[in-house]
Amino acid sequence: AQKVTQAQTEISVVEKEDVTLDCVYETRDTTYYLFWYKQPPSGELVFLIRRNSFDEQNEISGRYSWNFQKSTSSFNFTITASQVVDSAVYFCALSGVQTGANNLFFGTGTRLTVIP
Amino acid sequence: ETGVTQTPRHLVMGMTNKKSLKCEQHLGHNAMYWYKQSAKKPLELMFVYNFKEQTENNSVPSRFSPECPNSSHLFLHLHTLQPEDSALYLCASSRWTGGNYGYTFGSGTRLTVV
Repeated sequence: AQKVTQAQTEISVVEKEDVTLDCVYETRDTTYYLFWYKQPPSGELVFLIRRNSFDEQNEISGRYSWNFQKSTSSFNFTITASQVVDSAVYFCALSGVQTGANNLFFGTGTRLTVIP
Repeated sequence: ETGVTQTPRHLVMGMTNKKSLKCEQHLGHNAMYWYKQSAKKPLELMFVYNFKEQTENNSVPSRFSPECPNSSHLFLHLHTLQPEDSALYLCASSRWTGGNYGYTFGSGTRLTVV
């Protein structure tokens, strides 16, 4: 079965602080993809990153960085020098190649509030 | 032209009403999806369409009836809903079926059943 756990329901930080959003996943597939999406108040889920299970290199995109560790089944997301515009709900998602290939399995999301 | 457009943005309906949600994409994608987002729950996949054919129905009650006349349009027809059906309904599309490619989402329809 596929499962994604985002244990942090809500996080508040003061602007310019760094914040890490945790994501732990479960899958029996040997090939799978992990995603992060951002959901601002407007409602649409905005794609942030896609990572396949064979690529454990960390990735940095501006103030965003992702740490993928297969050994701990985690795919954590760090925002450096947070800004008010980062306030949103962030979802981690998983898609397995062998099973559940028609579906993205989402976590329950982490609501991030950046206080000016 | 934004990626995936959903209308209406907000909908309030009585339990005896019939209404429809509309989703439209002009990204050239071949797969379209309906998701339900309820408070404090993971997004739930409802239906999957691939080249206009329904390929997945996740045990959704029959009061939700999807329709996909072509690869660019997807509807969700609603009738005799229950208050617990109140949620954000999100439409998504992808070039090919399968979550591996990631989805493009619309802004959703916030549905309130009274």
